[in-house]
Amino acid sequence: GDSVTQMEGPVTLSEEAFLTINCTYTATGYPSLFWYVQYPGEGLQLLLKATKADDKGSNKGFEATYRKETTSFHLEKGSVQVSDSAVYFCALSVAGSARQLTFGSGTQLTVLP
Amino acid sequence: DAGITQSPRHKVTETGTPVTLRCHQTENHRYMYWYRQDPGHGLRLIHYSYGVKDTDKGEVSDGYSVSRSKTEDFLLTLESATSSQTSVYFCAISEASGGIQETQYFGPGTRLLVL
Repeated sequence: GDSVTQMEGPVTLSEEAFLTINCTYTATGYPSLFWYVQYPGEGLQLLLKATKADDKGSNKGFEATYRKETTSFHLEKGSVQVSDSAVYFCALSVAGSARQLTFGSGTQLTVLP
Repeated sequence: DAGITQSPRHKVTETGTPVTLRCHQTENHRYMYWYRQDPGHGLRLIHYSYGVKDTDKGEVSDGYSVSRSKTEDFLLTLESATSSQTSVYFCAISEASGGIQETQYFGPGTRLLVL
């Protein structure tokens, strides 16, 4: 079945550090890929997405590139801020009757001032 | 923000009692989903709906039932709550067009504790 494997957390960085959160996937067909972010006490918000190979999703300084050859969708940001502290989820969906999302286990990021 | 509300936001109940969680949307989206979030598991799909009275099971559907009698409401019922159903429950909605997955928008969540 479809699955998403995320880098284990928690991750702690200093402000302005470079961030990478690894995400790899296994899927039948050609999935769409997503990064969602969850701030404390809130629901999930879409951070970025990519729908086909070599697409780059970007938002709020975060980027991820859909790499079909390595089945990866790593999240990066050049300079993190304290306000980026949150849980980040990688997810995929494959075309089907309802396009359900399959999530990774999440990575807790804490950014220290 | 997408118009999604969940009620109640917090609930404490006892083992063996029935519990119903409600998800309400104002976006008129066709698809609605119920997920549970547990440490180390991310979010896992319980049930989903692709239209009024059209529902199907997800990955972890045992012990749960759903109903959708109106486009805007999707109810999740625990017929007889167990401690293993202590979790945070999220509702999500989406629309779909063509071959492109539309974004799923999530509600604020319901925190359920089964004693």
